[in-house]
Amino acid sequence: SYELTQPPSLSVSPGQTATINCSGDALPKINSYWYQQKPGQAPVLVIYKDTERPSGIPERFSGSSSGTTVTLTITGVQAEDEADYYCHSSDTSDTWVFGGGTKLTVL
Amino acid sequence: QVQLQESGPGLVKPSETLSLTCTVSGAPIRSYSWSWIRQPPGKGLEWIGHLYFTGGSNSAPSLKSRVTMSKDTSKRQVSLKMTSVTAADTAVYYCARIAGDGSYDYWGQGSLVSVSS
Repeated sequence: SYELTQPPSLSVSPGQTATINCSGDALPKINSYWYQQKPGQAPVLVIYKDTERPSGIPERFSGSSSGTTVTLTITGVQAEDEADYYCHSSDTSDTWVFGGGTKLTVL
Repeated sequence: QVQLQESGPGLVKPSETLSLTCTVSGAPIRSYSWSWIRQPPGKGLEWIGHLYFTGGSNSAPSLKSRVTMSKDTSKRQVSLKMTSVTAADTAVYYCARIAGDGSYDYWGQGSLVSVSS
């Protein structure tokens, strides 16, 4: 079955840059999405179609893609960015999966 | 303002059928596709399936044999049924709207379903 692989955790200090990678064989062909989830809350879309940022999402959130890896970058991390982040995409047969999630800790 | 609200029994017995509804306000159900996602306690998100605006559907291979999704436009509801549940199906269940760009742009607040005798 198709899998998206992301690191389980990442710790950064305020003001630093957080980079979360997500790898999957179909990512060169299929759009990816990133969701932020804070404890007790529903996920929120932060990046769509690899690199697009929805309205209302701060400019410090950006997405990029290279080969089989997509990346969520948070430039100038703030305390409020502490959350779990999930990448989401599908294989070429329209079977969707989430990555395992990355817990971002702001030190 | 688009709002989604999941509802259903919080407790289901093993081997029985889990039934959830997602009531949608602020958006026409027939014009969008809808997704179901779940999250076991303390774990990550798991995609359950999509219900397309055409009426077709697609589900995760591991759940396909047990999952049925449907919609009732008159009631503004999208529904999920999962048969033969076990403790492994204990999770918060979310419904989400699929935007034209493929993203899940609106989510419900989630409904916790526990499977226990």
